[in-house]
Amino acid sequence: DTEVTQTPKHLVMGMTNKKSLKCEQHMGHRAMYWYKQKAKKPPELMFVYSYEKLSINESVPSRFSPECPNSSLLNLHLHALQPEDSALYLCASSQVRISDAKQETQYFGPGTRLLVL
Amino acid sequence: SQQGEEDPQALSIQEGENATMNCSYKTSINNLQWYRQNSGRGLVHLILIRSNEREKHSGRLRVTLDTSKKSSSLLITASRAADTASYFCATGRSGYSTLTFGKGTMLLVSP
Repeated sequence: DTEVTQTPKHLVMGMTNKKSLKCEQHMGHRAMYWYKQKAKKPPELMFVYSYEKLSINESVPSRFSPECPNSSLLNLHLHALQPEDSALYLCASSQVRISDAKQETQYFGPGTRLLVL
Repeated sequence: SQQGEEDPQALSIQEGENATMNCSYKTSINNLQWYRQNSGRGLVHLILIRSNEREKHSGRLRVTLDTSKKSSSLLITASRAADTASYFCATGRSGYSTLTFGKGTMLLVSP
């Protein structure tokens, strides 16, 4: 199984809502990533989890709260978002290389298209 | 800051023609990867070339890497309408385990 799944596919929320994005993989990957992608732009890294521990937070506002409950699941909790947070949110996973920190191939989910009103 | 910069930003060709996209980067790398993204969907990994490799092939794809010029090219031969997508190069700095994506090239292949 080389698939990364994400739910929901689409999400519309108001600025006062709380919602969560979910990501799941069963490839045994121990690194998982959240990216934000605006239209016609490349993906921008938000968070990296390695062995279920948050290893990188790219200065993301606290209204985005990641969670990695186990090695297969990654959540992104959303609260009090702004309209400019509307984007495609991509989850990815990869193997972890500790010895030399080389970059591995990342496997992406289809994304959640978020609209904040 | 962007590590990879692709050119052209957009490319329009006819089916059967070859498509060439280029990527330049700024710092030393361990490897360089190319990904494809169909409109509004997730990215799909195409090919990875290591810093000690100069050329790599996969089906209709040919990737070259010139570390002295800090540049790479992706060639898609005998293009098909299904190749219509955005193509991104991705690099990581030595000692870092994350990727940084370039701005991408939008490829349109017309039947």
